Amino acid sequence: EVQLVESGGGLVQPGGSLRLSCAASGFTFSDYWMSWIRQAPRKGLEWVAHIKQDGSAKHYVDSVKGRFTISRDNAKNSVYLQMNSLRVEDTAVYYCVKDARDWGQGTLVTVSS
Amino acid sequence: DVVLTQSPLSLPVSLGQPASISCRSSQSLVYSDGNTYLIWFQQRPGQSPRRLLYQVSNRDSGVPDRFSGSGSGTDFTLKISRVEAEDLGVYYCMQFTHWPHTFGQGTKLEIK
Repeated sequence: EVQLVESGGGLVQPGGSLRLSCAASGFTFSDYWMSWIRQAPRKGLEWVAHIKQDGSAKHYVDSVKGRFTISRDNAKNSVYLQMNSLRVEDTAVYYCVKDARDWGQGTLVTVSS
Repeated sequence: DVVLTQSPLSLPVSLGQPASISCRSSQSLVYSDGNTYLIWFQQRPGQSPRRLLYQVSNRDSGVPDRFSGSGSGTDFTLKISRVEAEDLGVYYCMQFTHWPHTFGQGTKLEIK
């Protein structure tokens, strides 16, 4: 059974940083692109970033370019999202997603003073 | 960016009745490999999204056959043949033919 478990969310002030982690199990992690998708409170979904199987390709939505960095460690079956220069509008539940099919339970990031 | 426009945004339906949601794209979603990367998700209250259909019309395992998808190019439709109580929630279309991948605004299906 595929499991994706996010961690690292919390309350942070504007301009601060957070690092999200996603621990994957139940599949061959190194075979799949991995993504982060977010959902602001009572809002729709936004694809934030994704990373190729070997980490050689990464894509970001414009609103986070230069501030967020996606990475992965295939030896640890984990994917990460380093979030810097956080803004109030980054407040959302962040989901770790495999293949646009399997989703974690999400971790809440709140950016507020 | 590709804009996906869903309609209606709110859909009250009686149990046992059919439901239909439209998703229109600002650009063709046919990729260079000939495939159309249009997905439908269901999000029940308090839950993570769940993929129902991929490449327009292919049902994921465990998805009831009352859910079906159709369309091509820029116009797509999700149909539920007979709505059941467990179907309430928000439905999203999503494209990953073009980067950035984008979602429709969501359609809230309510039981009348």
